[in-house]
Formats: sequence, structure tokens, C-alpha cells
Amino acid sequence: KNEVEQSPQNLTAQEGEFITINCSYSVGISALHWLQQHPGGGIVSLFMLSSGKKKHGRLIATINIQEKHSSLHITASHPRDSAVYICAALGGADGLTFGKGTHLIIQP
Amino acid sequence: DGGITQSPKYLFRKEGQNVTLSCEQNLNHDAMYWYRQDPGQGLRLIYYSQIVNDFQKGDIAEGYSVSREKKESFPLTVTSAQKNPTAFYLCASTVSGRNNEQFFGPGTRLTVL
Repeated sequence: KNEVEQSPQNLTAQEGEFITINCSYSVGISALHWLQQHPGGGIVSLFMLSSGKKKHGRLIATINIQEKHSSLHITASHPRDSAVYICAALGGADGLTFGKGTHLIIQP
Repeated sequence: DGGITQSPKYLFRKEGQNVTLSCEQNLNHDAMYWYRQDPGQGLRLIYYSQIVNDFQKGDIAEGYSVSREKKESFPLTVTSAQKNPTAFYLCASTVSGRNNEQFFGPGTRLTVL
């Protein structure tokens, strides 16, 4: 079964800082899913990527298939970015395997 | 608007009672999923269904049951056999199969009193 590890577990930063959240997985996958969970609990899909890099607004996701590693970056962070960010490895009979999440707080 | 709805948002039940959580989608997705989320843990798969009238157990199916009589609906029953049912429950769907982007509902927080 795929093991998905995220780091850091918790991150507090000041508004405007560049944020990086890391995700590593143990078994080859078809794609990696980055999700955002707000305090209310609902989950929103941010990216699904299988190679290279994707960008949406201030969010950038990269993946290195050979190294089994993905990163989520947030540029010019804002308090509204405060949320739990979850990566999930997609592939094979296991379907989605989720990391435990990174709890991000952006202070004004 | 297309999406997934879960009801209720908060649910309280007495120990020993069965309770059913609702999940409805109007995305015309074939596959639907139920996950459980506990503090400090990743989401864990309870049951999934890839087609109407068919469903499979996930990693933590014991104490739960599901049905898939309609494409749009995938209700989850938490039975009295579930030893530790207090958790946040999320429903999701995909166009088809398990290796596609998942869309999530807002979740139901179940508390057993």
C-alpha cells in the first residue's frame, strides 16, 4: 500500500510570505491530487497532476515522478489561505491514498 | 449548480442507535465514495461504488453499510456495531473509476452521545 507523507504538519507564517508544503509517496502513481480543507470541513480540489508543474492564481504545484515527491507553493500568502492542505496519491488498486494534511495559518 | 450535497451538517445520536448519512450528487458521476476523517489522520475509505447496485468495502468498512439504488444517491448507515463512530464523514464522487479527480461534499460531523 502506498505511504503518503506530508511536511510540515503545522505551519504558521506572516502575510506575504512564500509557502511550501511537501508531499512524498512510496509507490509509483498515476497522478497526485492536492486538496484544500477549510475550517468548515468541506474539501476543494486544487490540482491534479501527473508530471511537471501547474499554476492557478497564486498556487503552484510541482511533481517529480522519479523522486516520488510533490510540492505545493503559495506566493504572496494571505490570511484567507489559512486551511488544511492535503495531498493524495492516485493510482493502482488502492485508488486514493491521503496524507495527514498540513495545517497552515497565515497571520496578518 | 452541479455538486455534491450531504445532510445533515451535524448529527447527534445515542449509543446503540443506527443512523443514516445522506449523499446526493447531480454531476452525473458513476462512482461515489465514503470517507471517514479523524483528527490527525488522513481520510480513510469506508465504502465505494463504481456503478448502480454495486459497491465494495474500503479499508474500514466494519460497522457501516451502504446502498446504491440510484446513480445520484449513496447513503451511508453507521450501525451500532461501529465501535467508535464519532468522526467527520465525507462523501465524494468521480466521473468513473478510482483513478480520476474526486469531488467532495461538505461533510457530516457525527457525534455519539
